[in-house]
Amino acid sequence: DAKTTQPNSMESNEEEPVHLPCNHSTISGTDYIHWYRQLPSQGPEYVIHGLTSNVNNRMASLAIAEDRKSSTLILHRATLRDAAVYYCILTAGYALNFGKGTSLLVTP
Amino acid sequence: DAGVIQSPRHEVTEMGQEVTLRCKPISGHDYLFWYRQTMMRGLELLIYFNNNVPIDDSGMPEDRFSAKMPNASFSTLKIQPSEPRDSAVYFCASSPIQTEAFFGQGTRLTVV
Repeated sequence: DAKTTQPNSMESNEEEPVHLPCNHSTISGTDYIHWYRQLPSQGPEYVIHGLTSNVNNRMASLAIAEDRKSSTLILHRATLRDAAVYYCILTAGYALNFGKGTSLLVTP
Repeated sequence: DAGVIQSPRHEVTEMGQEVTLRCKPISGHDYLFWYRQTMMRGLELLIYFNNNVPIDDSGMPEDRFSAKMPNASFSTLKIQPSEPRDSAVYFCASSPIQTEAFFGQGTRLTVV
């Protein structure tokens, strides 16, 4: 699977939007972009995934660059419950290989 | 559905003992994954199954680790003999075809 690069940590204020970046310059045409998050003391949780087009669901939005070499996970209004490690993962198959992710701190 | 169920939630064992971790996937999911998480190495994929058949076990650290899936509703991960460096949180996840994976709450293993 192609490699992803994410910032180690980010900070946001509660109720403000958060943009979590992910670079994946070696992405292949068949790679899907997945985002998962892991809250403290819990297992990872699916957030969203996409291939080429931007995607929205009840949790977040995924903006994918036109050349697909980067993507951004958008949390529209951060809450304290959104404090977690966010993982950007590329996969053309079914197995997810997690990197170090971005630790998001949300302050009141 | 109750989600992916793992047992036990916590396990403390002595070095050299056999440890068996259990997982009940979500009904109807064709894929089952075992992961290990440590501070040093993060989340590592150990092995995954499709329709009860092991597909990729390249992440299994050594022969002391083995995993089985005797039927669609049950899987085990066994460590024999266990060592202190096996201490970690072990996660099981299941997935329908080509959609998101659902993770269990994990088993925290401590080998002393």
